[in-house]
Amino acid sequence: GAVVSQHPSWVICKSGTSVKIECRSLDFQATTMFWYRQFPKQSLMLMATSNEGSKATYEQGVEKDKFLINHASLTLSTLTVTSAHPEDSSFYICSAVWRGSSYEQYFGPGTRLTVT
Amino acid sequence: AQKVTQAQTEISVVEKEDVTLDCVYETRDTTYYLFWYKQPPSGELVFLIRRNSFDEQNEISGRYSWNFQKSTSSFNFTITASQVVDSAVYFCALRNTGTASKLTFGTGTRLQVTL
Repeated sequence: GAVVSQHPSWVICKSGTSVKIECRSLDFQATTMFWYRQFPKQSLMLMATSNEGSKATYEQGVEKDKFLINHASLTLSTLTVTSAHPEDSSFYICSAVWRGSSYEQYFGPGTRLTVT
Repeated sequence: AQKVTQAQTEISVVEKEDVTLDCVYETRDTTYYLFWYKQPPSGELVFLIRRNSFDEQNEISGRYSWNFQKSTSSFNFTITASQVVDSAVYFCALRNTGTASKLTFGTGTRLQVTL
């Protein structure tokens, strides 16, 4: 149980285009999901906290207009990178919180974004 | 503010050696959780352990063991008889016990196990 999926697992897009990444909790309902970004050889940095039915809370320094987060249902959150630039190339990881396990975070497998 | 420090950036050992990964944390919370995750080259985070701040007992799971010392704010991880498959980046993390609270990650330790 407590499986989180991400789609796509990797994506290449051209500079200036937008790309959407999906995060799904497959066998549980997640009122909260987190989005992290990880640059090569660096740690995971929290970008935003996504709560179902409400606006996401962004960490300091993260552009909310560039990284659009939508948590439309209890099993799906999406991250859209708008007008992507090469510096947005990174590994994006989501996690979903399962109330049934003391609010533990379960991580998706990550999405590798390359902007050319 | 919470902080997790993993001073060892990279460690290289020969297979069958024991290796300890250090983790030191800072928090003002009286109750909290500590974690270790493994990130192999594939990128997916693998959960290894969660420890409640109330529980200072050391834990052993196969070749893995963890030493939690609240007095020194440390939560070290030891791999006994390391294997090549242990090669990965290991992250220590901390969060408070509130609902849906944020995880604070350390910078990670890259472990390379060679034959």
